[in-house]
Amino acid sequence: GNSVTQMEGPVTLSEEAFLTINCTYTATGYPSLFWYVQYPGEGLQLLLKATKADDKGSNKGFEATYRKETTSFHLEKGSVQVSDSAVYFCALRYQAGTALIFGKGTTLSVSS
Amino acid sequence: NAGVTQTPKFRVLKTGQSMTLLCAQDMNHEYMYWYRQDPGMGLRLIHYSVGEGTTAKGEVPDGYNVSRLKKQNFLLGLESAAPSQTSVYFCASSSGQMGAYEQYFGPGTRLTVT
Repeated sequence: GNSVTQMEGPVTLSEEAFLTINCTYTATGYPSLFWYVQYPGEGLQLLLKATKADDKGSNKGFEATYRKETTSFHLEKGSVQVSDSAVYFCALRYQAGTALIFGKGTTLSVSS
Repeated sequence: NAGVTQTPKFRVLKTGQSMTLLCAQDMNHEYMYWYRQDPGMGLRLIHYSVGEGTTAKGEVPDGYNVSRLKKQNFLLGLESAAPSQTSVYFCASSSGQMGAYEQYFGPGTRLTVT
């Protein structure tokens, strides 16, 4: 079946450190891939997305590239800030309009 | 636009009580979803709707019912609450038109069943 696996947290970094959160997926066909972010006490917000192989999604300094050959969509940021502390969810949608399938989430904590 | 709103924000129920969670969206989206979020489990789909008057089961539908009488509203009901239903519930909506199909999430409802 379709599933998403992301690295377990928590991930603890100092400000300005490099961030990578790994995400791999299993899916039939050509899914769309997403990263959502959840700040404390809030709902999920779309961070970035990619809809086909080799697409790169980017937003707020975060990037992720859709790698079909490795079935991966790793999230990266070159220099994290304290304000990036949140839970990050990788997700896929295998068919237009269907519900998202989420990974379990990775908690990021950035200290100054 | 308010986007996706959920009421109530918090609720405490006793085992066996019933309640309804309301989700409303003002973006004219066709698709609406109910998820629950539990520690270490990510978000899991409870029920969803692809249009007014239609509903379908998701991954964890047992103990819940839903209704979509109006396009903008999606109700989640618990007929007889159980402690296992203690969770944070999120509603989401998305456009059924060709395009991004981004899902927009509400702020969540924190439910505790004692």
